[in-house]
Amino acid sequence: DQQVKQNSPSLSVQEGRISILNCDYTNSMFDYFLWYKKYPAEGPTFLISISSIKDKNEDGRFTVFLNKSAKHLSLHIVPSQPGDSAVYFCAASGGGNKLVFGAGTILRVKS
Amino acid sequence: EPEVTQTPSHQVTQMGQEVILRCVPISNHLYFYWYRQILGQKVEFLVSFYNNEISEKSEIFDDQFSVERPDGSNFTLKIRSTKLEDSAMYFCASSGGVDEQFFGPGTRLTVL
Repeated sequence: DQQVKQNSPSLSVQEGRISILNCDYTNSMFDYFLWYKKYPAEGPTFLISISSIKDKNEDGRFTVFLNKSAKHLSLHIVPSQPGDSAVYFCAASGGGNKLVFGAGTILRVKS
Repeated sequence: EPEVTQTPSHQVTQMGQEVILRCVPISNHLYFYWYRQILGQKVEFLVSFYNNEISEKSEIFDDQFSVERPDGSNFTLKIRSTKLEDSAMYFCASSGGVDEQFFGPGTRLTVL
């Protein structure tokens, strides 16, 4: 099931810089997109979401951008902090509550 | 801050045995879910539950699986006869509506 794809398995960023995590989707029925953060041995923690009627949503250091024509979304973290080091999952839903997850991107923020 | 809790954190069982994984969703939420993550793979949807019935289930959720809300607070996932391939992290989640789902810490199920 490749409906939600995170093509970068990992990303390394210097503390204070911007982290950009990318996600692509193929199912045009998706209308709600979410980003989750996950530490080892814990459950996914909700970060930020965006509805398909918007192209941007901001919450503190986190901003999600949605490009519907390209079926692409991205999560920007500014400034990045060492505590942001985790696995980031993109997820999507459409016509129901089921979330379809990407494979995740490991973010490492170096101090 | 309200959170989803799950017990046990780790369950070891023999193949063919029944297991029950327990979850306490956030108290005013109406939608409940189970997901699982096999080691090295994606988080996969298993089932969603609303108004005391299953609203959607995946192909994984076959006759060996069942869910129940036995009282006003607990939400359980039962696997009737476990197989080796059921070994995974099982996550419970809840939501107030068709929006953000909040996940529990997970139960690691190991089938020997």
